[in-house]
Amino acid sequence: NAGVMQNPRHLVRRRGQEARLRCSPMKGHSHVYWYRQLPEEGLKFMVYLQKENIIDESGMPKERFSAEFPKEGPSILRIQQVVRGDSAAYFCASSPTQGYGYTFGSGTRLTVV
Amino acid sequence: KNEVEQSPQNLTAQEGEFITINCSYSVGISALHWLQQHPGGGIVSLFMLSSGKKKHGRLIATINIQEKHSSLHITASHPRDSAVYICAVSRDTGNQFYFGTGTSLTVIP
Repeated sequence: NAGVMQNPRHLVRRRGQEARLRCSPMKGHSHVYWYRQLPEEGLKFMVYLQKENIIDESGMPKERFSAEFPKEGPSILRIQQVVRGDSAAYFCASSPTQGYGYTFGSGTRLTVV
Repeated sequence: KNEVEQSPQNLTAQEGEFITINCSYSVGISALHWLQQHPGGGIVSLFMLSSGKKKHGRLIATINIQEKHSSLHITASHPRDSAVYICAVSRDTGNQFYFGTGTSLTVIP
């Protein structure tokens, strides 16, 4: 069991480009959560998804950010028209049921230049 | 005020010392988690607690539900324990984690 796999580990984008971050949950986990860690700040919840459904996106910025978790394949966090303030570490976690058994990925470090 | 407060923010210890990191929370929870984050690295889940005490090697985590408080202890600390330790709670309602700002631990040989 490979755990929660996030890729890429590091991503550099120029301002205005799109960033796509991928998260493959642990086998058997159908709940995925995305968190953002801004420099010098703690982790903040962004979005909670189950297969094909967004359950809670209360932590997502209203513009440019979207997330999906399709029936097949990884969960994708998409940031359009990136700005310097989007530079952060983005972590994904998965769980088999809501509320228990979380496993975190190693994160994707996004740098916007 | 944050839902989860940790103390201390920074901690420096000599190798071999007993270390305690504290976490207080103000919301109803289904579980409390202790996480470890190494510089530039990912996050490792150390413990998930809903009551009592858990032990794994030199690490011990306790929780007092009535007082809404948890502690992480490290016995016989070692330089490889140097990391940021994060307390997080999963709510009893809704789907969110709330995170403390972390305790940065440095263990000096």
